[in-house]
Amino acid sequence: AQKVTQAQTEISVVEKEDVTLDCVYETRDTTYYLFWYKQPPSGELVFLIRRNSFDEQNEISGRYSWNFQKSTSSFNFTITASQVVDSAVYFCALSEAFAGGGADGLTFGKGTHLIIQP
Amino acid sequence: DTGVSQDPRHKITKRGQNVTFRCDPISEHNRLYWYRQTLGQGPEFLTYFQNEAQLEKSRLLSDRFSAERPKGSFSTLEIQRTEQGDSAMYLCASSSGANVLTFGAGSRLTVL
Repeated sequence: AQKVTQAQTEISVVEKEDVTLDCVYETRDTTYYLFWYKQPPSGELVFLIRRNSFDEQNEISGRYSWNFQKSTSSFNFTITASQVVDSAVYFCALSEAFAGGGADGLTFGKGTHLIIQP
Repeated sequence: DTGVSQDPRHKITKRGQNVTFRCDPISEHNRLYWYRQTLGQGPEFLTYFQNEAQLEKSRLLSDRFSAERPKGSFSTLEIQRTEQGDSAMYLCASSSGANVLTFGAGSRLTVL
């Protein structure tokens, strides 16, 4: 069975601080996909990134960066110079063997509520 | 394209009543998913359609729940004889081929 653990329920930082959201996953498959989604107060899940299990290169997109380490089964997400608009719930998710989330869909963690204070 | 649309956005009902939610996916997407999200939890997979065929159902989907996707376009999720434990956000998502899921804004159900 697959499982995603986001141990941080809530994080609160002051604007412009850097913040890292942790994600640890469990799967028996050798091919799998990891995702991060953002859920602002409006409720709509917004896709941020997808990474397959064969690509361990870290990725940077503007103020966002992701650190994928298969050795520790972790896929952590860092926001640099945080802004108030980054306040949201962030979900890490896992899909086994299918890029888009196949017949079994995505397995989500419980999410981390990020609060950026001005 | 306006993305994935869900209707209604909010539904308040009394226990025992039936409710139906509708999802209009992105037009060219052949895959459609339903998820349920309760407060403080991540979304949980309910069911999946490829075109009009329902290919997978979670054990979370009890006999009171039924989903359809006639003609492979919009989908409906019906809950019969609602219970207070059904109170949740019901999320619909769609995708095409190997693309990532695009989610709608959800339909929030409150059962009194």
